[in-house]
Amino acid sequence: GENVEQHPSTLSVQEGDSAVIKCTYSDSASNYFPWYKQELGKGPQLIIDIRSNVGEKKDQRIAVTLNKTAKHFSLHITETQPEDSAVYFCAAKKTRIGGNKLVFGAGTILRVKS
Amino acid sequence: DAGVTQSPTHLIKTRGQHVTLRCSPISGHKSVSWYQQVLGQGPQFIFQYYEKEERGRGNFPDRFSARQFPNYSSELNVNALLLGDSALYLCASSLGQPYNYGYTFGSGTRLTVV
Repeated sequence: GENVEQHPSTLSVQEGDSAVIKCTYSDSASNYFPWYKQELGKGPQLIIDIRSNVGEKKDQRIAVTLNKTAKHFSLHITETQPEDSAVYFCAAKKTRIGGNKLVFGAGTILRVKS
Repeated sequence: DAGVTQSPTHLIKTRGQHVTLRCSPISGHKSVSWYQQVLGQGPQFIFQYYEKEERGRGNFPDRFSARQFPNYSSELNVNALLLGDSALYLCASSLGQPYNYGYTFGSGTRLTVV
């Protein structure tokens, strides 16, 4: 089955710096890759996603890149702010009919120091 | 618009007992998935339901069961609780097949087994 590895497990950055979180997946049939932000006491919140027919997607300060050949994808946050501090999860999924589970990485604790 | 609603928010049960967790999806969403999140780990897939039928099951014992009602709400049942069942149980809703994108999570039910 699919396995998703996520690095680093913790990341501390200074406010205004960039943060990069990387994930690798094992199943080449996976073709949907969302990123979630989870704050204390809350459920995961979808912040950006990418499908395998696209190499990069950007939404304001957040961007995701996908390398299908290498089977890895990355989250980039620019101009980090204290409110970006949270746990971030990557996930992978097959979107064929019946492909219905998200496989998550172990998470990255991001701390933005002001 | 209301998001994904889960109840109760917190629950304490004794080993061997049974528990029922409830989820109401976003209006218009026909698919509900259940995930278990142990502290410090990413969510793990338990079930997906679409149009009241089970469409996927993760690697969980038969003590775990679920169902979906005509109004698309869902229940997750766990029998013969073990200490290891202590976790945050998350419900996610999506439009449903074939649109298996954009899962929205609720805030979860924190289950503690003592």
